[in-house]
Amino acid sequence: DGGITQSPKYLFRKEGQNVTLSCEQNLNHDAMYWYRQDPGQGLRLIYYSQIVNDFQKGDIAEGYSVSREKKESFPLTVTSAQKNPTAFYLCASSMDRGGYTFGSGTRLTVV
Amino acid sequence: AQKVTQAQTEISVVEKEDVTLDCVYETRDTTYYLFWYKQPPSGELVFLIRRNSFDEQNEISGRYSWNFQKSTSSFNFTITASQVVDSAVYFCALSDDDNTDKLIFGTGTRLQVFP
Repeated sequence: DGGITQSPKYLFRKEGQNVTLSCEQNLNHDAMYWYRQDPGQGLRLIYYSQIVNDFQKGDIAEGYSVSREKKESFPLTVTSAQKNPTAFYLCASSMDRGGYTFGSGTRLTVV
Repeated sequence: AQKVTQAQTEISVVEKEDVTLDCVYETRDTTYYLFWYKQPPSGELVFLIRRNSFDEQNEISGRYSWNFQKSTSSFNFTITASQVVDSAVYFCALSDDDNTDKLIFGTGTRLQVFP
């Protein structure tokens, strides 16, 4: 079955550490996105990529980095520069205004 | 500027009641798309509907119906005869970027359906 796989489901980060969240899709979608969700808030766009080897900053890109070396993969790195990284992270993909397909999310906690 | 407002933070109903979730949007574009997503406790967002700005016909899918009114910039979602399984957070979203599929989300409405 086609879909998006995010891993890990839960992730714990120590202060000052970089961590990488994985997102893989087998839907053959061109565009991929990373959103952050905080309690009681909507989804805020971190980064997006419309084609391989190209990506753009979203509304809250500071402290995050991404890469898009393959169509299927769009990993997100939460760097030590992100001062408040505890949140729920959702990856999505889309094609031609058809709406997003979302992954099941990664819950990141700073310990 | 684009914006999606879901003024209802939380709604509680008893099973079999009808419930309407409000969504008001702002955009300067004449071509845009509106979406509704459901987020159950598991966390994954599930696509419910997409509507483009040129199609104002209301849509019904089982117990779900959507009322799109351009005159009031609203895209409301009604669940008829609610069930406990409908308990979730529901998000309305807008896409009006000509070059990308970027979505702008509202803050969501948490629906709790009690037996």
